[in-house]
Amino acid sequence: QQPVQSPQAVILREGEDAVINCSSSKALYSVHWYRQKHGEAPVFLMILLKGGEQKGHEKISASFNEKKQQSSLYLTASQLSYSGTYFCADEGAGGTSYGKLTFGQGTILTVHP
Amino acid sequence: EAQVTQNPRYLITVTGKKLTVTCSQNMNHEYMSWYRQDPGLGLRQIYYSMNVEVTDKGDVPEGYKVSRKEKRNFPLILESPSPNQTSLYFCASRVQGAGNTIYFGEGSWLTVV
Repeated sequence: QQPVQSPQAVILREGEDAVINCSSSKALYSVHWYRQKHGEAPVFLMILLKGGEQKGHEKISASFNEKKQQSSLYLTASQLSYSGTYFCADEGAGGTSYGKLTFGQGTILTVHP
Repeated sequence: EAQVTQNPRYLITVTGKKLTVTCSQNMNHEYMSWYRQDPGLGLRQIYYSMNVEVTDKGDVPEGYKVSRKEKRNFPLILESPSPNQTSLYFCASRVQGAGNTIYFGEGSWLTVV
């Protein structure tokens, strides 16, 4: 089953912040985040492993709460280059889902000047 | 340069005419996978392979075949394409095991008329 992302779309002005949430229905080993520009391949942003860590990548950071089976991506002081579709992908902690990446449906982020 | 290469990048074909989309990676990755991407549905896994001669169904395998005779190659075969297989296809690879990032090819736009 796909993880559920929210919101489905968000529109920002440059400099504003956004949060994208990812909720899974299975016990997780990790959550991955990717950004995709239209017609291009998804680009890796970061991986969060179980243990509840928070990671940062310039002005983009993420958290992972394995007990709640949720992850959030934080984009601060957004730039025009942040526009695109953001995907989370969850990876199961055991059984047949171990090592299997399942992608969410995506969140379309649009940043205006 | 580390990369995943897919061919063809763009293809228009007719219903029922067998076609193969090739995928090759130069990173010596054990794990390879095919995804299709459709609007609003994110990336859905078609088939994956954990190593040579080891393949398994993903979430949407109907109408597709794969083979893994060599570690670097993982072709996707559409024996009798139908219009509902019109989609954007991505091949991907990664080091086997949970917590490793996945690398995508540039994508193949397939239209079946």
